Amino acid sequence: GAGVSQTPSNKVTEKGKYVELRCDPISGHTALYWYRQSLGQGPEFLIYFQGTGAADDSGLPNDRFFAVRPEGSVSTLKIQRTERGDSAVYLCASSRNSGGDETQYFGPGTRLLVL
Amino acid sequence: DQQVKQNSPSLSVQEGRISILNCDYTNSMFDYFLWYKKYPAEGPTFLISISSIKDKNEDGRFTVFLNKSAKHLSLHIVPSQPGDSAVYFCAASARGYGQNFVFGPGTRLSVLP
Repeated sequence: GAGVSQTPSNKVTEKGKYVELRCDPISGHTALYWYRQSLGQGPEFLIYFQGTGAADDSGLPNDRFFAVRPEGSVSTLKIQRTERGDSAVYLCASSRNSGGDETQYFGPGTRLLVL
Repeated sequence: DQQVKQNSPSLSVQEGRISILNCDYTNSMFDYFLWYKKYPAEGPTFLISISSIKDKNEDGRFTVFLNKSAKHLSLHIVPSQPGDSAVYFCAASARGYGQNFVFGPGTRLSVLP
């Protein structure tokens, strides 16, 4: 079946603008994760959904970042008033369940560049 | 403060030889460890995992060793192939305390033909 997909693959925006990044998880996967990867770093956890609810949003850097998963499938990561420091690859992953040993399957990421 | 460290940013190995990638962690609550491989412009893909109740897990050419007392794990690839050239991330989780993986910064492996 299809893997995790993310759109757009690349996004260039200007400082101060609003952006939305979309993630389509593997069908049937109940858990969905957002990570951010900066150059030379590993993925950094942002937020995790179990079903429709955000089970852990402790990784969101500030209140400019918000994510939703209204129907328990597709998720959107929203960034308000973007800053140059937000430039990174935003990765989405999904897993069958939310156990700490469940394999997470990653999408290809959205490369965000804030000018 | 990095909880998962991969102190070698890069590693070059000759085809057919063994590749050894190292990972150290600081959080003693971590009880599940994984290795992910990442090619350019793709997301990380799961490679192999190990639970803290084991000290070794093997899957084909890939073996992960865990030394809990040293808070150290390593990934061995034998024999190395050019297609193994990628960035390898070590990740850890504390299963009883949440579902988040903490990733290391990665090691870029180059397998030379």
